[in-house]
Amino acid sequence: AQTVTQSQPEMSVQEAETVTLSCTYDTSESDYYLFWYKQPPSRQMILVIRQEAYKQQNATENRFSVNFQKAAKSFSLKISDSQLGDAAMYFCAYRSNYQLIWGAGTKLIIKP
Amino acid sequence: AAGVIQSPRHLIKEKRETATLKCYPIPRHDTVYWYQQGPGQDPQFLISFYEKMQSDKGSIPDRFSAQQFSDYHSELNMSSLELGDSALYFCASSWGLAGGEQYFGPGTRLTVT
Repeated sequence: AQTVTQSQPEMSVQEAETVTLSCTYDTSESDYYLFWYKQPPSRQMILVIRQEAYKQQNATENRFSVNFQKAAKSFSLKISDSQLGDAAMYFCAYRSNYQLIWGAGTKLIIKP
Repeated sequence: AAGVIQSPRHLIKEKRETATLKCYPIPRHDTVYWYQQGPGQDPQFLISFYEKMQSDKGSIPDRFSAQQFSDYHSELNMSSLELGDSALYFCASSWGLAGGEQYFGPGTRLTVT
């Protein structure tokens, strides 16, 4: 069975600086999808970025980018120029068949 | 852009009562997913539907049932409610099955007293 691990329960970063959130996963599949979702205090679940395992190029979305290491089964999220609005829980998720398998989440605190 | 709509947003029920949660997917999305998120926890997958047929099943209690209708909206029916059913229930939708990103609704906060 697939598992997703986020080893950082909480991270903090100074506003305008860069922070990296870690995620590792375990799977025997060769083709799959990985996602980062953001959940602010409103508890709305917001898609941040998606990575397809067959693509070697790392996905980027404006200030958000990933470092996808397929062999190491690692999928970290880098947030550049951190803003106060980035404060949220960040979940890493693996798509298995139709469902998403989630990590435990990392709470990101932005210091003004 | 249109988003996933869930109703009601908040629901308070007593133990042993029944609750029905509704989900309206993004237009042209044909797949619906239900997740349950307890306080301080990650979401847990309950069930999904593709083209009105159940496509996957997770940790959904036997007391719960769901279906997807001809207009693609979905309903989650919860009976014999227990205190432990208190949670945020998310509906998500996507287009197709293979790798499509899931877009989440705002959730229904269910409180069982």
